[in-house]
Amino acid sequence: QQQVKQSPQSLIVQKGGISIINCAYENTAFDYFPWYQQFPGKGPALLIAIRPDVSEKKEGRFTISFNKSAKQFSLHIMDSQPGDSATYFCAAFQYNAGKSTFGDGTTLTVKP
Amino acid sequence: DAGITQSPRYKITETGRQVTLMCHQTWSHSYMFWYRQDLGHGLRLIYYSAAADITDKGEVPDGYVVSRSKTENFPLTLESATRSQTSVYFCASRQGNEKLFFGSGTQLSVL
Repeated sequence: QQQVKQSPQSLIVQKGGISIINCAYENTAFDYFPWYQQFPGKGPALLIAIRPDVSEKKEGRFTISFNKSAKQFSLHIMDSQPGDSATYFCAAFQYNAGKSTFGDGTTLTVKP
Repeated sequence: DAGITQSPRYKITETGRQVTLMCHQTWSHSYMFWYRQDLGHGLRLIYYSAAADITDKGEVPDGYVVSRSKTENFPLTLESATRSQTSVYFCASRQGNEKLFFGSGTQLSVL
């Protein structure tokens, strides 16, 4: 049973366009929803995160939209740049369990 | 430099051999984790540790052993490596309640 489902698996966007990655979760006990960015040959690094009592969080060109009733959240990358080309993972964290569950990842390619 | 260090960076071994992947963090974070990354499966939790001498299984623990005698070290051992354990392994530690810091990974090939 996959607790966090991520789509699409891969995404190609033109420079300047908007990249959108979606995630859905099942467990309503999750407390924290981070997104991680991973460049080739590197470990994932925290990009942006949101708590379920907030519907949107923006940091620069990166925005998380959160829909608690639908149990869905998404990452929007505005004005996408070739340097944004990476793999993006959504995750869900439950304080009581002490561990995160990750989506399968989305490989983003931004074409110049 | 402060951070989380994994070694070796690359490892090739044969089926049936024992392999140990090392993980060291300099922050004194209580929680540490081992994940494996495979195409199409994202990051799957193998084992985690809440503190020294406290470890627990994750999603895919079979074939792996961990120990944590010191807060800063969290080695992962494959007791008898199999081809299905060919993967990229990431160690992570957690700051506070939420933020994970990952190492650069160990790419393991089992022939």
